[in-house]
Amino acid sequence: AQSVSQHNHHVILSEAASLELGCNYSYGGTVNLFWYVQYPGQHLQLLLKYFSGDPLVKGIKGFEAEFIKSKFSFNLRKPSVQWSDTAEYFCAVNARDTGRRALTFGSGTRLQVQP
Amino acid sequence: EAGVAQSPRYKIIEKRQSVAFWCNPISGHATLYWYQQILGQGPKLLIQFQNNGVVDDSQLPKDRFSAERLKGVDSTLKIQPAKLEDSAVYLCASSLEPGGYGYTFGSGTRLTVV
Repeated sequence: AQSVSQHNHHVILSEAASLELGCNYSYGGTVNLFWYVQYPGQHLQLLLKYFSGDPLVKGIKGFEAEFIKSKFSFNLRKPSVQWSDTAEYFCAVNARDTGRRALTFGSGTRLQVQP
Repeated sequence: EAGVAQSPRYKIIEKRQSVAFWCNPISGHATLYWYQQILGQGPKLLIQFQNNGVVDDSQLPKDRFSAERLKGVDSTLKIQPAKLEDSAVYLCASSLEPGGYGYTFGSGTRLTVV
């Protein structure tokens, strides 16, 4: 079974600072990778996803993530955060080569951006 | 398009009582998921339906949790009897097909067991 680790549980940044949130997964086969965001009081929303091809994926709101297969990583980045990026961020994975296709989520990283 | 509807939004019950949650997925979405999100943790899959059949319920505590999806549309998740550790947000999600493609989440039901 696959698993996901997010080592940063709580990150505090000032506006305009650069962001990188770590995500590592554990699975020996082919995976699809996702980042979801949950703004305060709202439901989970997809930020970006990687299925295949260019390992650098661009998502909404200026976010991007890079898939490094050798490191089993899919880190989320943003060059300059805004106060409105305050939210909880979840990395997720699902195995492409098995019948079980539901997403497995990491424990999340709470991002707090100070004005 | 309308989103995934869940009700109730909040529920407070005493331990050993029973509770049920309802989910109406996006029209036409064949796959439906129930996740449990305990405070400070990521969502954990409880059960996955494909139409009205169960695809994966390996992490569903079957001694107290049950779920059904009659007619392949709406779904209910029941807990009977509830324990303190069941306090969590219960999320429903749906997608056109199995996998991570096009998941849409509902707003969830926040359950507090006292």
